[in-house]
Amino acid sequence: AQSVTQPDIHITVSEGASLELRCNYSYGATPYLFWYVQSPGQGLQLLLKYFSGDTLVQGIKGFEAEFKRSQSSFNLRKPSVHWSDAAEYFCAEASGGGADGLTFGKGTHLIIQP
Amino acid sequence: DGGITQSPKYLFRKEGQNVTLSCEQNLNHDAMYWYRQDPGQGLRLIYYSQIVNDFQKGDIAEGYSVSREKKESFPLTVTSAQKNPTAFYLCASSRGGAGELFFGEGSRLTVL
Repeated sequence: AQSVTQPDIHITVSEGASLELRCNYSYGATPYLFWYVQSPGQGLQLLLKYFSGDTLVQGIKGFEAEFKRSQSSFNLRKPSVHWSDAAEYFCAEASGGGADGLTFGKGTHLIIQP
Repeated sequence: DGGITQSPKYLFRKEGQNVTLSCEQNLNHDAMYWYRQDPGQGLRLIYYSQIVNDFQKGDIAEGYSVSREKKESFPLTVTSAQKNPTAFYLCASSRGGAGELFFGEGSRLTVL
């Protein structure tokens, strides 16, 4: 079965430090991959997506992600985090070519230390 | 502004009662989805619909029902058969295919 793995349940980063959140996918030679962010009690907002082409994808709020087929990974990065980046982050892959919705990882909770 | 509206935001019900969560979108999207979110579990797909008058079960459809009579609306009923209904429910829509999902703000259901 298709699965998305986010190995880190919690990550703590100091404000101004760099960030990398890990994601591994399991399905598809040409995966469609997404990163979403969720503030407490809110819906999910799309940060960025990868369909094909350039393996380094730029998103909103200064985030980027790199697709590495050899490692089945799609890690999210930010050079310098802000306190407002504290949230839950979800990696997702399109299921069944996309027609069946998205399969989500279990999320990584990001804590920002002052 | 276009978007997805879920209501109510908070809902309390007694055990054994059916409840219906509303989801309306004005994005003119063909596909709509219901996900359930529990702490530490990520999002799990309950039902989805790619076109009016048609819908498919997701990974955890037992104890839930849906309808899709209009393109804009995709209500979810949590029935008394759902063994553990307390959760955060998220509705989403997309243009279809492998496109991104757009999410509503969610509905938190607590069964007492």
